[in-house]
Amino acid sequence: NAGVTQTPKFRVLKTGQSMTLLCAQDMNHEYMYWYRQDPGMGLRLIHYSVGEGTTAKGEVPDGYNVSRLKKQNFLLGLESAAPSQTSVYFCASSPVQGTSSPLHFGNGTRLTVT
Amino acid sequence: QQQVKQSPQSLIVQKGGISIINCAYENTAFDYFPWYQQFPGKGPALLIAIRPDVSEKKEGRFTISFNKSAKQFSLHIMDSQPGDSATYFCAVLVLTGGGNKLTFGTGTQLKVEL
Repeated sequence: NAGVTQTPKFRVLKTGQSMTLLCAQDMNHEYMYWYRQDPGMGLRLIHYSVGEGTTAKGEVPDGYNVSRLKKQNFLLGLESAAPSQTSVYFCASSPVQGTSSPLHFGNGTRLTVT
Repeated sequence: QQQVKQSPQSLIVQKGGISIINCAYENTAFDYFPWYQQFPGKGPALLIAIRPDVSEKKEGRFTISFNKSAKQFSLHIMDSQPGDSATYFCAVLVLTGGGNKLTFGTGTQLKVEL
């Protein structure tokens, strides 16, 4: 049982380049999320999805786009990478809404923008 | 705006000692107060959680104490072990009808020394 799988694990981009981070979950969860983790700032929500074909903005959405074409996949795109987007990105999923539905996280993608 | 303030930023405890991490929140409308544990190179994983109608929850060596009037909650790790060395995040959840969106604290790096 893989849980939440993120690819790639590491990536280095030059300023202005684009890339897509892929998240796949095999738990049949409705909800999926993208967070970024920066030192001293905890995890901040970028975008999230409450179901196939839906997306919504989180706390720090600028510079990112997302798509949820299939229930099991949630893609995070950077159209024109900036050094401020150097971070560790975590995808998470959760079952239906409720206080007993914890988020299940992947192991992250470490992105460096030079 | 920072809705959750976590302290300390780092903590060193001797093996067998008690580790205490504190969080304070501002909004009174939160529905769920989880703690996540993160090991290097891994994503955060749910450790223990409490609902606002309970003042304390204990699971093994881990206890959450919740003070609704003071808008504070804390994690106590009894008999701390080197294997507990990790980063701990408190979080708060509001059930808005749009997914389980957690707001995280800034994290505490715990090191348990022999």
